[in-house]
Amino acid sequence: AQSVTQPDIHITVSEGASLELRCNYSYGATPYLFWYVQSPGQGLQLLLKYFSGDTLVQGIKGFEAEFKRSQSSFNLRKPSVHWSDAAEYFCAVGSLISNFGNEKLTFGTGTRLTIIP
Amino acid sequence: EAGVTQFPSHSVIEKGQTVTLRCDPISGHDNLYWYRRVMGKEIKFLLHFVKESKQDESGMPNNRFLAERTGGTYSTLKVQPAELEDSGVYFCASSRTGDVNSPLHFGNGTRLTVT
Repeated sequence: AQSVTQPDIHITVSEGASLELRCNYSYGATPYLFWYVQSPGQGLQLLLKYFSGDTLVQGIKGFEAEFKRSQSSFNLRKPSVHWSDAAEYFCAVGSLISNFGNEKLTFGTGTRLTIIP
Repeated sequence: EAGVTQFPSHSVIEKGQTVTLRCDPISGHDNLYWYRRVMGKEIKFLLHFVKESKQDESGMPNNRFLAERTGGTYSTLKVQPAELEDSGVYFCASSRTGDVNSPLHFGNGTRLTVT
């Protein structure tokens, strides 16, 4: 069965500092990996996704993530955080049903990010 | 284009009562999913519609939950009777079929509290 582990429940960083959120997955086949963000009062927004190809994926809002098969990891990074990045971040793994597009996703428990001035 | 719309945004009910959550997907999206996040835990898949057909309902917790998508447009998720452990945030998501790059678009969720 597939699973996702986000070991950090809560992270606090200073505005302007770099950020790395950890994600480890367990999946029997080639994984499709996603990072979503949920800002207060909002739904889940897709930051980036990895299906194949270049293992360094660029996303929206200046985020990037690197797929490392040997470590079963897909960590999210940002070189300099802004106060507006305060939110909860979810890593997810899934596979695709080619006929329909997207299959169900398995999410991690989320990491809450707090930004201090 | 309008996003995925869910209502109500919040619902507080007593144990044993019935609640119906509604989701309006993005127009033209045949895939519709329901997910749930119980407090502090991961977001879990409940079920998947393709148009009006249930493609996968393996995540539905028990027979107190009933999801419908009549006409392949909006969907409802009814909980009857509600139990304390049903409290959480219920998310709906939609996407296009036949497009492996079509991302899931999530609604803002319905926060359900059962007292």
